[in-house]
Amino acid sequence: AQKITQTQPGMFVQEKEAVTLDCTYDTSDPSYGLFWYKQPSSGEMIFLIYQGSYDQQNATEGRYSLNFQKARKSANLVISASQLGDSAMYFCAMRDLAQGGSEKLVFGKGTKLTVNP
Amino acid sequence: DGGITQSPKYLFRKEGQNVTLSCEQNLNHDAMYWYRQDPGQGLRLIYYSQIVNDFQKGDIAEGYSVSREKKESFPLTVTSAQKNPTAFYLCASTQWGQGGYSNIQYFGAGTRLSVL
Repeated sequence: AQKITQTQPGMFVQEKEAVTLDCTYDTSDPSYGLFWYKQPSSGEMIFLIYQGSYDQQNATEGRYSLNFQKARKSANLVISASQLGDSAMYFCAMRDLAQGGSEKLVFGKGTKLTVNP
Repeated sequence: DGGITQSPKYLFRKEGQNVTLSCEQNLNHDAMYWYRQDPGQGLRLIYYSQIVNDFQKGDIAEGYSVSREKKESFPLTVTSAQKNPTAFYLCASTQWGQGGYSNIQYFGAGTRLSVL
């Protein structure tokens, strides 16, 4: 089964600086997908960025980029130019096979990011 | 506006009572999911459904039941058999079977369930 590890329970960053949130994964499948979601205090999970295992380049979406190091099995999220609105929980997730052959997401425990003014 | 609507936002359950959480989507997605989130934890899969009138158990299905009579609706019932129901419940949907970006799961705003 797939496993996601996020080792940083909490991170602090100054407004306008960059921050890296760590994510390592464990899988024996050659084909897999990695996701990052943001969960503000309101609770909704917001999709940020996706990286496929066969993608040649690191994924980027605006201020979000994914530092994908396949050999190290890491998929760290980099947020550039942090804003106060970036304060939230951030979850790394991986596709996994569910019972019955469908797909599910396996989530890490999350990192709480606080952006200081 | 396309999206996923969960209701109610807050729900209280009395001892021995069954309660139903609503999830409706207008994204025309095939697959729908229910996750449970406990404090300080990631999400765990309760049930999912790929097509109408079909659903599968996830990792923590005991004490829960679902139905999928319409493509856009996937209600979750928390039964009295679920002894520790206090949690945050999230519904998600995705366009099934296309791989890559098409398998992004989009989430509703969640329902917070507490026991009285």
